Amino acid sequence: EPEVTQTPSHQVTQMGQEVILRCVPISNHLYFYWYRQILGQKVEFLVSFYNNEISEKSEIFDDQFSVERPDGSNFTLKIRSTKLEDSAMYFCASSPYRESYNEQFFGPGTRLTVL
Amino acid sequence: AQSVTQLGSHVSVSEGALVLLRCNYSSSVPPYLFWYVQYPNQGLQLLLKYTSAATLVKGINGFEAEFKKSETSFHLTKPSAHMSDAAEYFCAVRVGTGGFKTIFGAGTRLFVKA
Repeated sequence: EPEVTQTPSHQVTQMGQEVILRCVPISNHLYFYWYRQILGQKVEFLVSFYNNEISEKSEIFDDQFSVERPDGSNFTLKIRSTKLEDSAMYFCASSPYRESYNEQFFGPGTRLTVL
Repeated sequence: AQSVTQLGSHVSVSEGALVLLRCNYSSSVPPYLFWYVQYPNQGLQLLLKYTSAATLVKGINGFEAEFKKSETSFHLTKPSAHMSDAAEYFCAVRVGTGGFKTIFGAGTRLFVKA
């Protein structure tokens, strides 16, 4: 069964460094998302992406964040200058359609630790 | 704005007992509701979803949920808990704005005692 994959599974970085989190959505999906989950807290929406542009972003998704679909398969989240509070689990998700009754398929997550 | 509220951050049941995890929604339009499960150190797995076709929805691993419009609820149940059900459960609603994002509840951690 097709699934969303994410690399790396765990990333450790120093504060102020740039990180790129990678995701490979399910191949025929058109809508892509990033969410994050700070330890012990709820899963929060960051950004949605369709047709090579951001369709919606949350207040969390400030100028230090960016997303890109550099080729036909990868979807990346870049954090330009990491802060301690960026430490979280980051989930990528994809969906074949926009309609609300379709669930999003989530990847296993990347645990980002900022020291 | 659409949202979901999960009552109880922790629920503990004995193996073989009924599991009941509560979720209430707030929505001005018919909602599309989901339950996800997260096992320790893993991602989010869909348990079941409500899409207005039927009010009683059956999911994987013996779980089911009933949509009750009069109570604005979508509680998750399982007749008999198994040790392997110990996990975090998230109720969620898919919001029909430009990005059609998923809004998650705070989660309920289920403990199963032997």
